[in-house]
Amino acid sequence: EAGVVQSPRYKIIEKKQPVAFWCNPISGHNTLYWYRQNLGQGPELLIRYENEEAVDDSQLPKDRFSAERLKGVDSTLKIQPAELGDSAVYLCASSLTVAYTIYFGEGSWLTVV
Amino acid sequence: AQSVAQPEDQVNVAEGNPLTVKCTYSVSGNPYLFWYVQYPNRGLQFLLKYITGDNLVKGSYGFEAEFNKSQTSFHLKKPSALVSDSALYFCAVVLLRGSARQLTFGSGTQLTVLP
Repeated sequence: EAGVVQSPRYKIIEKKQPVAFWCNPISGHNTLYWYRQNLGQGPELLIRYENEEAVDDSQLPKDRFSAERLKGVDSTLKIQPAELGDSAVYLCASSLTVAYTIYFGEGSWLTVV
Repeated sequence: AQSVAQPEDQVNVAEGNPLTVKCTYSVSGNPYLFWYVQYPNRGLQFLLKYITGDNLVKGSYGFEAEFNKSQTSFHLKKPSALVSDSALYFCAVVLLRGSARQLTFGSGTQLTVLP
């Protein structure tokens, strides 16, 4: 069975440009997460979806970050405009429900120059 | 305050020796505890978890972890380390943030197994 799939794996953009990341969760997983991981640190939750509803987005910087999960399957995370401090790994993860083990994708590595 | 901590940034061990990566936590109520491993340029891989039951939890790749309620610890262990175990290890705990439960990660411990 395929795991969590993310794209692109690597992205380098200039500051003030937009960027988008895509995630396809494990089939049947209703809960989808976006985490951000800065170098040398643990991941931090940005947003959690239950099906197509964002149920926890308290740590998403809403002035420049947005996310959507249309039809409750794939999800997109967007940053517009990007800032130098946004350079990080953006990890998508999924689980059957919020109570179950979370499985991560390989991550999208963003460098803002 | 609720938290999870990994007191060691770096652990070095010789191949064939036992290894321990430490984790302590502070939560309200019963803890849900996890260990993940991250290899260079990769995502996080699930190793094991403790929800309830036996205090000694066995996981992937020969790893195990011991839940100790009195010491509020959940240390990761392996009887005989391999060079291929060298990676970044994260302890995580489900914490109540406002009205939502979130899986919250420690800062990570870099394990290096020396040949």
